[in-house]
Amino acid sequence: EDQVTQSPEALRLQEGESSSLNCSYTVSGLRGLFWYRQDPGKGPEFLFTLYSAGEEKEKERLKATLTKKESFLHITAPKPEDSATYLCAVQETDSWGKFQFGAGTQVVVTP
Amino acid sequence: EAQVTQNPRYLITVTGKKLTVTCSQNMNHEYMSWYRQDPGLGLRQIYYSMNVEVTDKGDVPEGYKVSRKEKRNFPLILESPSPNQTSLYFCASSSTTGGLSNQYFGPGTRLLVL
Repeated sequence: EDQVTQSPEALRLQEGESSSLNCSYTVSGLRGLFWYRQDPGKGPEFLFTLYSAGEEKEKERLKATLTKKESFLHITAPKPEDSATYLCAVQETDSWGKFQFGAGTQVVVTP
Repeated sequence: EAQVTQNPRYLITVTGKKLTVTCSQNMNHEYMSWYRQDPGLGLRQIYYSMNVEVTDKGDVPEGYKVSRKEKRNFPLILESPSPNQTSLYFCASSSTTGGLSNQYFGPGTRLLVL
């Protein structure tokens, strides 16, 4: 069965303490992998799309990378405003409309 | 302002009483989708629609119905709600240009079924 697994479930960081979140996936054919940020009480907000192994995308303190079996979201020198739940999702090649999300990683950055 | 709206935002109902959650987008997106979010399980897709009159099942469609008669609207219907449908529901939309790479999510509807 296709699966998307995120680790760790929760992460507590000091401001400036860099870290990485993991998203591992098993699908028959990957069309795209997506990262979203979700703040409490709100809907997810799009961050990145990755399509092929070796691809990297960056936005401010966030950098997403993709291999054939997993993706990493690196948070460099985080600030308290980076506190959120980060979700990854996969889209398969033979079913564009279907998306499978991981359970998310809750990140708390303390001053 | 580009947005996805959902109504109601909060709803308490009783088992078996039919309800509809509305979803509307103003971005002329072809694609729309419904998800439910439960603690520890993340977002699970209920139904999606690639365009008007085209709908398909996601991973957890049981107990739900949808329709897509207009491009901007994608209502979610629970004909006989049960307590296990208590959840936080999100509607999303995206343009098919670019392969659905960016889904815009609504603010969520919190449903409690007693």
